[in-house]
Amino acid sequence: GEDVEQSLFLSVREGDSSVINCTYTDSSSTYLYWYKQEPGAGLQLLTYIFSNMDMKQDQRLTVLLNKKDKHLSLRIADTQTGDSAIYFCAELEGYSTLTFGKGTMLLVSP
Amino acid sequence: DVKVTQSSRYLVKRTGEKVFLECVQDMDHENMFWYRQDPGLGLRLIYFSYDVKMKEKGDIPEGYSVSREKKERFSLILESASTNQTSMYLCASRVRLATNEKLFFGSGTQLSVL
Repeated sequence: GEDVEQSLFLSVREGDSSVINCTYTDSSSTYLYWYKQEPGAGLQLLTYIFSNMDMKQDQRLTVLLNKKDKHLSLRIADTQTGDSAIYFCAELEGYSTLTFGKGTMLLVSP
Repeated sequence: DVKVTQSSRYLVKRTGEKVFLECVQDMDHENMFWYRQDPGLGLRLIYFSYDVKMKEKGDIPEGYSVSREKKERFSLILESASTNQTSMYLCASRVRLATNEKLFFGSGTQLSVL
């Protein structure tokens, strides 16, 4: 099956930028997503990018897509303690189902 | 706001029991999904349904079945629960196939099989 890989853990200080990286293998991905899961909750969509774009910015969030290297990143500017959560990268193959990475736990310390 | 409601937040069952996990969405979504989430393994798709009475196997369907008799309700069934089915189960729904409509997730059911 298709694969989505992420690093498992990232620790930053409040006010710093966080960069969470993701690689995927499916060259037919149409959309790529970042979901956030806070403790005890389901997943919430943070942002997404269409596969023919290379960058998308949404307030403190910047998504970069390198389609040649199949690399996706999420940059959170001015990271806050409320950003502590697990972040999942996911790809949509065609318009069918999503394949999720294993999640990156972001810990923001004061 | 779209609401995806999972009937139980925590469940404790015994090995061999038949277990029903219920999920209801209130936005007339056609597609519904069941995932399980395990530490270090992320989310894995068990089953999904494109519409009423339709079901498709996901990546790890063994030991599970599903039922979609009504559009708003998608049930996950463990015919004979086993300890390796102890996990967090997440239900999700989406408007329909062939769109970029986002997935809406429920809060999850933490199932422990003893």
